[in-house]
Amino acid sequence: DTGVSQNPRHKITKRGQNVTFRCDPISEHNRLYWYRQTLGQGPEFLTYFQNEAQLEKSRLLSDRFSAERPKGSFSTLEIQRTEQGDSAMYLCASSFPDAGTFNEQFFGPGTRLTVL
Amino acid sequence: AQKITQTQPGMFVQEKEAVTLDCTYDTSDQSYGLFWYKQPSSGEMIFLIYQGSYDEQNATEGRYSLNFQKARKSANLVISASQLGDSAMYFCAMREGPRDDKIIFGKGTRLHILP
Repeated sequence: DTGVSQNPRHKITKRGQNVTFRCDPISEHNRLYWYRQTLGQGPEFLTYFQNEAQLEKSRLLSDRFSAERPKGSFSTLEIQRTEQGDSAMYLCASSFPDAGTFNEQFFGPGTRLTVL
Repeated sequence: AQKITQTQPGMFVQEKEAVTLDCTYDTSDQSYGLFWYKQPSSGEMIFLIYQGSYDEQNATEGRYSLNFQKARKSANLVISASQLGDSAMYFCAMREGPRDDKIIFGKGTRLHILP
């Protein structure tokens, strides 16, 4: 399978607990993105990496959120002290920017988080 | 200010008919890119078509075409000969700047294809 993969696909947790999601991008892609999608809305940008460097963070990414991409391959998104408002689909995407392309982002299937 | 506006929350279309999904955008950049994505009930975002702001011709990909009207800031998606498998959420999205990586999505239009 050469697509973007995300684990777990579903996560149910209690308010106040910490959760961590993993994203494995397409192997040759050096850029990796995280988006959040709440019910009835389009995805909202959270952050992105070029290799291991985190280049941009949205104001949506509160202090309780942290993302890493330690070796420039897979990435993790951790949410500490989860709140019910964190319930959403968390989407990961990857890309390989090239002068001849429009930097298409390939999305994974998402991790659906439910905070009780 | 909302960057991407999709005014049709839902649409019902008879199978085999053509359908147009509306999208208007707002940007002050001269260089930008416009995307359409399809999201089936499985949740995965599927890229459909891209239009660059400097592209003179409307983009086409199979049954999908993008009706790009730059002066009106609209980028409508046209699906010809709709199929039952086209039933899904459709998102219009924009990337500002020539290489900006952040994509801004609209709220989407849910398309239902009727047999």
